[in-house]
Amino acid sequence: GNSVTQMEGPVTLSEEAFLTINCTYTATGYPSLFWYVQYPGEGLQLLLKATKADDKGSNKGFEATYRKETTSFHLEKGSVQVSDSAVYFCALSGSKFYFGSGTKLNVKP
Amino acid sequence: GAVVSQHPSRVICKSGTSVKIECRSLDFQATTMFWYRQFPKKSLMLMATSNEGSKATYEQGVEKDKFLINHASLTLSTLTVTSAHPEDSSFYICSASDRDSLVTDTQYFGPGTRLTVL
Repeated sequence: GNSVTQMEGPVTLSEEAFLTINCTYTATGYPSLFWYVQYPGEGLQLLLKATKADDKGSNKGFEATYRKETTSFHLEKGSVQVSDSAVYFCALSGSKFYFGSGTKLNVKP
Repeated sequence: GAVVSQHPSRVICKSGTSVKIECRSLDFQATTMFWYRQFPKKSLMLMATSNEGSKATYEQGVEKDKFLINHASLTLSTLTVTSAHPEDSSFYICSASDRDSLVTDTQYFGPGTRLTVL
């Protein structure tokens, strides 16, 4: 079946540090992969997506590459800001969406 | 583009009353809409999937008589929590897709509704 596993949080970084949030998946077929971000008290916002193997999704300095060989879709950003503090969800699409458990990121000034 | 709104953003009600939450796709036609529930510091739990003009498909363990879903048009779905109780207090989030539910691609999420039942 389909599932998504994310690294446990919270992740605490200083401003301008490098960010990696790990995401691995199991899936049948060829799903699309997504990263969503949720700010406190709000719904989810699409951050980036990739629809096939080796695709790289990118937005607002965040990147993730669809790695079929390692079944991964790790989120990276070279230099985080305080405003990036939020909860990040990895997800894959099948007959429905499968979400990871979410990783809270705290960025300190 | 791809904006989804929810109304109300926050509602407080007494135990035993019913509450309706609206979800609208503002700039696209939503073939499929989804309703999720999110508990504090937890991931999203899919409650049901609805297609315009047909009955919603509920996930296992979700009471369809308690959580009534109507998808009357391609831009509007409603979730009614009937006879609400304190344990129904939660953050409810809808999402919409412009693809057929069998081939789900990007989902666009509403801002969520915080329901508190006293």
